[in-house]
Amino acid sequence: AQRVTQPEKLLSVFKGAPVELKCNYSYSGSPELFWYVQYSRQRLQLLLRHISRESIKGFTADLNKGETSFHLKKPFAQEEDSAMYYCGATTDKLIFGTGTRLQVFP
Amino acid sequence: ETGVTQSPTHLIKTRGQQVTLRCSSQSGHNTVSWYQQALGQGPQFIFQYYREEENGRGNFPPRFSGLQFPNYSSELNVNALELDDSALYLCASSLFLAGEGTDTQYFGPGTRLTVL
Repeated sequence: AQRVTQPEKLLSVFKGAPVELKCNYSYSGSPELFWYVQYSRQRLQLLLRHISRESIKGFTADLNKGETSFHLKKPFAQEEDSAMYYCGATTDKLIFGTGTRLQVFP
Repeated sequence: ETGVTQSPTHLIKTRGQQVTLRCSSQSGHNTVSWYQQALGQGPQFIFQYYREEENGRGNFPPRFSGLQFPNYSSELNVNALELDDSALYLCASSLFLAGEGTDTQYFGPGTRLTVL
């Protein structure tokens, strides 16, 4: 079955610390991978997708096909990064993980 | 550019009733997807509409049905409501191009459905 796993429900760091939000996927075929973010009282929005290989708000994510992972990283977390982060994968329908709440303390 | 809008924002129903949720897609988009997000969970794919036809469905029973209109707006209908249907229902629109697949999905703010 197609599945996206985010093992951490909550990740708490201090401002300036590195951040890594984990995402693993189980898929037949080669899915396209995404990270979506939801800030407090805002709608779900795309953060980045692996095919564009962009760095958005300092975040990057590398697709590792051998480990079937697409971890989200940022070298220096900011307080405004506090949000819910969802990893998603699609070949035809978009499947999300359960999300990780990132808390960045001052 | 107009973003995805959904109505109503909140809704309270009782078990057994029927509900219709509405979604207006972002201008220029031709595909609408619906998701159910239960508390503490990620969004779960319900179905997608393209060219006014269902184009993919998740693991939801037939009492979840939908429509897409010529202007690409969409409705989600749920019959015989159950307590477990209480959730945030999200609509997302995107542009599908033949040969290129579906582009990024843009989400609406959601409709919070409570079933008592």
